[in-house]
Amino acid sequence: AQSVAQPEDQVNVAEGNPLTVKCTYSVSGNPYLFWYVQYPNRGLQFLLKYITGDNLVKGSYGFEAEFNKSQTSFHLKKPSALVSDSALYFCAVRDNSNYQLIWGAGTKLIIKP
Amino acid sequence: DSGVTQTPKHLITATGQRVTLRCSPRSGDLSVYWYQQSLDQGLQFLIHYYNGEERAKGNILERFSAQQFPDLHSELNLSSLELGDSALYFCASSPRAELYNEQFFGPGTRLTVL
Repeated sequence: AQSVAQPEDQVNVAEGNPLTVKCTYSVSGNPYLFWYVQYPNRGLQFLLKYITGDNLVKGSYGFEAEFNKSQTSFHLKKPSALVSDSALYFCAVRDNSNYQLIWGAGTKLIIKP
Repeated sequence: DSGVTQTPKHLITATGQRVTLRCSPRSGDLSVYWYQQSLDQGLQFLIHYYNGEERAKGNILERFSAQQFPDLHSELNLSSLELGDSALYFCASSPRAELYNEQFFGPGTRLTVL
């Protein structure tokens, strides 16, 4: 079955430290992977995607993600966290049978000053 | 601002009632997706329309229905409402039927069923 897992409900990081939000996936065929962010009382905003090419993908707000085919992972990273990065982060993979997105449960990122 | 608009922003209604949520996609986008976000279920895909035609169904209840009109706006109809239908309802749009790029999300409609 095709699925996305975000193993951490919450990640706590001190401001200025590097952050990682984990995502693993299971999908038939080539993976199309996405990260979205949701701020309180707002819709989801696109951060970055992996379709093909370089395994390190750069996105909005200084975020990047590393695609690892052997580990079927697509972890979101940022070298230096900001308090304003505190939000809910969703990983998604495209279901190649119907072209819909399969969403992870979301990870709440809390950056402490 | 994603360019996707949703109305109303908030909706409070009673059990057993029927409501309609409206979504206007980004200019030029032909696909509209509806999602339900609740605390216990997370983000659930409901239904996808492309250029007026239904393309895919997700976890959409029979009490719920949707359509996309010739001007490409979409409406999600929720009937015989139950307490458990209280949630945030998002629509998203994208240019094509097949998802090769990101979806653009609206700000959502918060539905409260009392």
